[in-house]
Amino acid sequence: KAGVTQTPRYLIKTRGQQVTLSCSPISGHRSVSWYQQTPGQGLQFLFEYFSETQRNKGNFPGRFSGRQFSNSRSEMNVSTLELGDSALYLCASSAWASGNSPLHFGNGTRLTVT
Amino acid sequence: GQNIDQPTEMTATEGAIVQINCTYQTSGFNGLFWYQQHAGEAPTFLSYNVLDGLEEKGRFSSFLSRSKGYSYLLLKELQMKDSASYLCAVVDSNYQLIWGAGTKLIIKP
Repeated sequence: KAGVTQTPRYLIKTRGQQVTLSCSPISGHRSVSWYQQTPGQGLQFLFEYFSETQRNKGNFPGRFSGRQFSNSRSEMNVSTLELGDSALYLCASSAWASGNSPLHFGNGTRLTVT
Repeated sequence: GQNIDQPTEMTATEGAIVQINCTYQTSGFNGLFWYQQHAGEAPTFLSYNVLDGLEEKGRFSSFLSRSKGYSYLLLKELQMKDSASYLCAVVDSNYQLIWGAGTKLIIKP
């Protein structure tokens, strides 16, 4: 079975720009969660989608948004980028909602904002 | 508020045993996960506990005490490849994952 695929692996953007990150979950998995990881903050939960519906949302500003398509693929968008948005963005899929089954993480997208 | 506490960093010797603790205060409890994350890589699932007691899986074991709000991950016969961060995550009453900051484990020869 193919694992979770995130594209792109690396991104460099300028302050004020917007960015879209993509995540393809493991085949058959219905839940996709997004996390931000920085050295000082650890894993910070952004949101979770289950069957195209946002199931949970973390404490991030409205500049961070996401969606899930009917094939379970998910995208995350960050608008009006700030320097503090530089981080590793991890996507994770699970067969059921994230609290009910183990997460399978992708290798992440490393975003650098200059 | 909800809180997960883990030691920031631990050091152990190759071949030895190490115990990584995780204490939690959450609104409800519906299970606890442990994940391993090597530097520059994605986290990978290690174990899941929902009932009190010890779950053994090869060199790794995970223990849970719900009354004490406490779990530990026990790693035996340490190998250099066990150098990684270990993340504890609790499932709260809304079935949302609450993550600890992780414990960086350094293995010395």
